Amino acid sequence: SAVISQKPSRDICQRGTSLTIQCQVDSQVTMMFWYRQQPGQSLTLIATANQGSEATYESGFVIDKFPISRPNLTFSTLTVSNMSPEDSSIYLCSVGDRGLQNIQYFGAGTRLSVL
Amino acid sequence: AQKITQTQPGMFVQEKEAVTLDCTYDTSDPSYGLFWYKQPSSGEMIFLIYQGSYDQQNATEGRYSLNFQKARKSANLVISASQLGDSAMYFCAMRYTGNQFYFGTGTSLTVIP
Repeated sequence: SAVISQKPSRDICQRGTSLTIQCQVDSQVTMMFWYRQQPGQSLTLIATANQGSEATYESGFVIDKFPISRPNLTFSTLTVSNMSPEDSSIYLCSVGDRGLQNIQYFGAGTRLSVL
Repeated sequence: AQKITQTQPGMFVQEKEAVTLDCTYDTSDPSYGLFWYKQPSSGEMIFLIYQGSYDQQNATEGRYSLNFQKARKSANLVISASQLGDSAMYFCAMRYTGNQFYFGTGTSLTVIP
């Protein structure tokens, strides 16, 4: 399985500011995914980040609010822009396994609190 | 539409006993994958076990086994010999066409000493 490093692990931010979350993988992967987990809720896919192309966003998520970069096959960033308290969540990146099972492996997550 | 249902918001189990966490799914795709993840209070998502829609046998990984009943569209997780460290949230997930994952709402498991 891939080893995924995500940082920061947690942060407390003021409303109106932006935070960039980094996700580093120890091997080259085609697809990287960004999820949001609001308090007490399940995971919701924000977008799929493909190297060399624009990220594909799910319904309810827009690029202006959650810009994503994918400069190479081992790295991606998610920015949470113009934050409000409603953005307080755990943000997780994941990568798809190359095997037939297509298991998704996750980073440790970023616990974000917006005041 | 694809859907995953976990009907048990919270479960308790005595240490060293077995526990079953329920998961049902709904899909019209013939090819799909079913997964269970564990999320401790630290927040990380830990992959536990996988079952493919065409797999004939139930998946097992150590103390984890998946009771796959395709006709009933259920994929229950069985944890044998529960340990205190098993206390966590458990999420059932389904992968369908296009590598999209859909997660259930989770079950909180508490292991009692």
